[in-house]
Amino acid sequence: EDQVTQSPEALRLQEGESSSLNCSYTVSGLRGLFWYRQDPGKGPEFLFTLYSAGEEKEKERLKATLTKKESFLHITAPKPEDSATYLCAVRKDSSYKLIFGSGTRLLVRP
Amino acid sequence: ETGVTQSPTHLIKTRGQQVTLRCSSQSGHNTVSWYQQALGQGPQFIFQYYREEENGRGNFPPRFSGLQFPNYSSELNVNALELDDSALYLCASSLGSNPETQYFGPGTRLLVL
Repeated sequence: EDQVTQSPEALRLQEGESSSLNCSYTVSGLRGLFWYRQDPGKGPEFLFTLYSAGEEKEKERLKATLTKKESFLHITAPKPEDSATYLCAVRKDSSYKLIFGSGTRLLVRP
Repeated sequence: ETGVTQSPTHLIKTRGQQVTLRCSSQSGHNTVSWYQQALGQGPQFIFQYYREEENGRGNFPPRFSGLQFPNYSSELNVNALELDDSALYLCASSLGSNPETQYFGPGTRLLVL
């Protein structure tokens, strides 16, 4: 069964304390893995798309990496404005839909 | 370039009623997908429309239906509302019949009493 699991469910960091969020997936025929950021009561905001193992993408303090079984979202020296829920989703070759994990709620304290 | 917009932002209905939610796609996008997001969960795929035709559906009953119009705006209709239909409903627009990145709107919060 296709599945996306994110860990931890929640993460509290001090400002400047770097960490990583994990997204593990079991899906046959991965077409792409997507990271989104979601603020409370709002729609997901697109961050990255990764297509193949070994690929990396960066945006400001965020860096996403991909292996054959999981993806990591590394947050370097986070700021309070990075507080949000980070969602991971995968798409299969044979389907149009995105399969989402339950997200990681990140809180960065000043 | 305008982003994805949705209306209304919030809605309260009672069990058994019908509801219509609306979505306006990002400029130039011809594909729209609808998702349901329960509190504390990731979005669940409902269906996708490309050029006014449904071209993919998730595990939702037929009382969830949709339309896409020639200007690529879209509607999600839900009949015979149930309490479990309470959720954030998201639409996402993208380009092409086999789209890559999907861009989400702000969502409509539906509460069924």
